[in-house]
Amino acid sequence: DAMVIQNPRYQVTQFGKPVTLSCSQTLNHNVMYWYQQKSSQAPKLLFHYYDKDFNNEADTPDNFQSRRPNTSFCFLDIRSPGLGDAAMYLCATSRDPQTYEQYFGPGTRLTVT
Amino acid sequence: GQNIDQPTEMTATEGAIVQINCTYQTSGFNGLFWYQQHAGEAPTFLSYNVLDGLEEKGRFSSFLSRSKGYSYLLLKELQMKDSASYLCAVWTGANNLFFGTGTRLTVIP
Repeated sequence: DAMVIQNPRYQVTQFGKPVTLSCSQTLNHNVMYWYQQKSSQAPKLLFHYYDKDFNNEADTPDNFQSRRPNTSFCFLDIRSPGLGDAAMYLCATSRDPQTYEQYFGPGTRLTVT
Repeated sequence: GQNIDQPTEMTATEGAIVQINCTYQTSGFNGLFWYQQHAGEAPTFLSYNVLDGLEEKGRFSSFLSRSKGYSYLLLKELQMKDSASYLCAVWTGANNLFFGTGTRLTVIP
């Protein structure tokens, strides 16, 4: 089945140790999104790629970076994780910016020790 | 700024009907979504409203009033598996989807 895949489902990292979360999709969608969702809070958009064009949300910390080497894959890099970065990280895709429906991956739950 | 309000928690009985309300004030409006999210899982799409009125899909219905900045999700014939968080989200335009904090629904026998 076509889907959005995130690995790993659970990630533990140490304070200040760089970590990379990955997302892949078999939908051949042009747009990929990264959301951060903290406990009992709404998902918050960090950034998105429309094809190779990177779009950062204004309040996304510099500590968060993203790479999209090809259509299928997108990575979220946290350069120096702090305790406040512990959250669920959701990857989503949409066919194009004008398509309203976003398809979410299962998420990666990040723990920072 | 964007403001999307939902009740934090609701409880309902199996087999009953429950209505989850959402009010919004956003800079721009291109549609409103409802998502279901089980604990520890990703949101799954339930409904999308862009015009005023009621959209029905099986046991789930969603209503929108753009003039009032108001929507509700109606769940009928509640089942235990409907226990989840229900997220209201407003699409203000390309790539801009703003979520409410969600309503945690508990279905009791």
